[in-house]
Amino acid sequence: DTGVSQDPRHKITKRGQNVTFRCDPISEHNRLYWYRQTLGQGPEFLTYFQNEAQLEKSRLLSDRFSAERPKGSFSTLEIQRTEQGDSAMYLCASSYGQGAGNTIYFGEGSWLTVV
Amino acid sequence: ILNVEQSPQSLHVQEGDSTNFTCSFPSSNFYALHWYRWETAKSPEALFVMTLNGDEKKKGRISATLNTKEGYSYLYIKGSQPEDSATYLCAPWGSQGNLIFGKGTKLSVKP
Repeated sequence: DTGVSQDPRHKITKRGQNVTFRCDPISEHNRLYWYRQTLGQGPEFLTYFQNEAQLEKSRLLSDRFSAERPKGSFSTLEIQRTEQGDSAMYLCASSYGQGAGNTIYFGEGSWLTVV
Repeated sequence: ILNVEQSPQSLHVQEGDSTNFTCSFPSSNFYALHWYRWETAKSPEALFVMTLNGDEKKKGRISATLNTKEGYSYLYIKGSQPEDSATYLCAPWGSQGNLIFGKGTKLSVKP
């Protein structure tokens, strides 16, 4: 399967713990996005990378959230000191090129439950 | 911040019915509109990327139209099948270089 891959698919953690999600985009895709989806909402933009550079961050991305894409390939999203409000699905997506007309491909998401 | 509205929120139809959904977005500074189908436990699947006013795209029994001047897009499904059951999301391209999603229309097709 050469689609966008996310790991882990499910994570249950205690409040206050740190969690990290990994995303492997489609090979050669230079743009990588992170979105978050909560119940009843559409996916909300968090951040994106052009190669290894983080170009945009949403105001939703508090100081407890950090994302990296060190070599312009895979990316990690870390949430420090998790809160119950962080419970959501975290979606990763990638595209080749940065134009508005380029198809963006999504992974299956990583479910986070904070207890 | 773009305000993207999708209607209806949910729709229940019988197999064989044709149906359509609406996506409304601000008409100013339009770049592109993306449609996705999202089935439970799967990844969102890209259906269409629409960029020009008057665009019409078709994929099997699904088609979409775009009106950028008035800020809306319609998605049509002809002869709905149970496998069409999914949430359909529209997302215009935002000025920050990312997709801005609506809340989606959840379609249930009863055999």
